[in-house]
Amino acid sequence: DVKVTQSSRYLVKRTGEKVFLECVQDMDHENMFWYRQDPGLGLRLIYFSYDVKMKEKGDIPEGYSVSREKKERFSLILESASTNQTSMYLCASSQGGGKLFFGSGTQLSVL
Amino acid sequence: GENVEQHPSTLSVQEGDSAVIKCTYSDSASNYFPWYKQELGKRPQLIIDIRSNVGEKKDQRIAVTLNKTAKHFSLHITETQPEDSAVYFCAASIVGYALNFGKGTSLLVTP
Repeated sequence: DVKVTQSSRYLVKRTGEKVFLECVQDMDHENMFWYRQDPGLGLRLIYFSYDVKMKEKGDIPEGYSVSREKKERFSLILESASTNQTSMYLCASSQGGGKLFFGSGTQLSVL
Repeated sequence: GENVEQHPSTLSVQEGDSAVIKCTYSDSASNYFPWYKQELGKRPQLIIDIRSNVGEKKDQRIAVTLNKTAKHFSLHITETQPEDSAVYFCAASIVGYALNFGKGTSLLVTP
């Protein structure tokens, strides 16, 4: 079965810190995604990547960047964390036809 | 870009009753419509999907219908059980591209 692993389940950071969220998938999927989940707002797409070293902005990329140096790893970077970035972050991967496999999520709190 | 609207935001039914969740989409080019179920504290998981060349798809107690002309699709759960209680997300996209999710429906099935 596909495994998508996010490095941290819970993370607490201070305002202004640089934050790295790591995601690794083990099924050689081409596509990887970062979503943010907030109550009442659903799943909002931050960034996605269809190939190594390739990235595309989603609906809410402001304040975030990403890195995909290897096919299996997709990192989300908060350049200068702010309190409005407190959220659940979900990584996902897919191969071609659409079915997403999600990681278990990282609950980030920015104080 | 694609905009997906989902209704209702909350739904409470008695065990054994049917539940219907409705979504509309804006981009007529979208041709892939999955539904994800997220149980409390867990990751979203695909439960059923439909492509635009099909009007209806069933899998045991769940079914999805698609009306391309009206740009809406619905999830139907029959004979609901307490374990159906979860948040359900609809999504739309062009096959192979990033999914755009609705805001979710919190379904509660009471015994």
